[in-house]
Amino acid sequence: QSALTQPASVSGSPEQSITISCTGTSSDLGRYNLVSWYQQHPGEAPKLLIYDVSHRPSGASDRFSGSKSGNTASLTISGLQTEDEADYYCCSYGGTSAYVIFGGGTRLTVL
Amino acid sequence: EVQLVESGGGLVKPGGSLRLSCAASGFIFSNYNMNWVRQPPGKGLEWVSSISSRSTNIYYGDSVKGRFTISRDNAENSLYLQMNSLRAEDTAIYYCARGRSFRYGYNYFDYWGQGNMVTVSS
Repeated sequence: QSALTQPASVSGSPEQSITISCTGTSSDLGRYNLVSWYQQHPGEAPKLLIYDVSHRPSGASDRFSGSKSGNTASLTISGLQTEDEADYYCCSYGGTSAYVIFGGGTRLTVL
Repeated sequence: EVQLVESGGGLVKPGGSLRLSCAASGFIFSNYNMNWVRQPPGKGLEWVSSISSRSTNIYYGDSVKGRFTISRDNAENSLYLQMNSLRAEDTAIYYCARGRSFRYGYNYFDYWGQGNMVTVSS
């Protein structure tokens, strides 16, 4: 199965907002509102940030928000903080034989 | 507190087998889907397999189908991954992850273990 497409890297300054895109096809990401986002700091396990496109789990910061339009999902981080520097992965329904697919990951640098 | 602890990883030769375990605690294990997700060194995440709460529905990624088998023991609060015919490209950190909201074979992962390294090399 093909991975979802994310930019390899993004950067921003403290207090700024950034958006990470995640592009799939009409057979996978575009088919249902089944998109989740994960944050992974170096040497740590991933952590759930967003599920079902735009829902935040309890305990997740409201500086993280998600959206979707057509075959592209987006994660927006507002009020960037140094601790936001990490890798971010999108994940979606992958189709009738792939079921679950991840994006290649985006490294966020907070300058 | 939800805890997932993987074990059973290590070094194995190509063509060999290994069985990973994941011990769960802090939640009612039998109520949740469970998953394996892996991450090759320095690379991104790859979903491996999912199993529903009562083992009724099981799914595999294409790269492991026919070689890996996921199973669970709800009495022991444990998840397993039997890995056969291992290849160099199976080298990765393997994470156990609790799943939520199984729909069309997809679920999202709300808690993750710390991971267990599997290295396939001669």
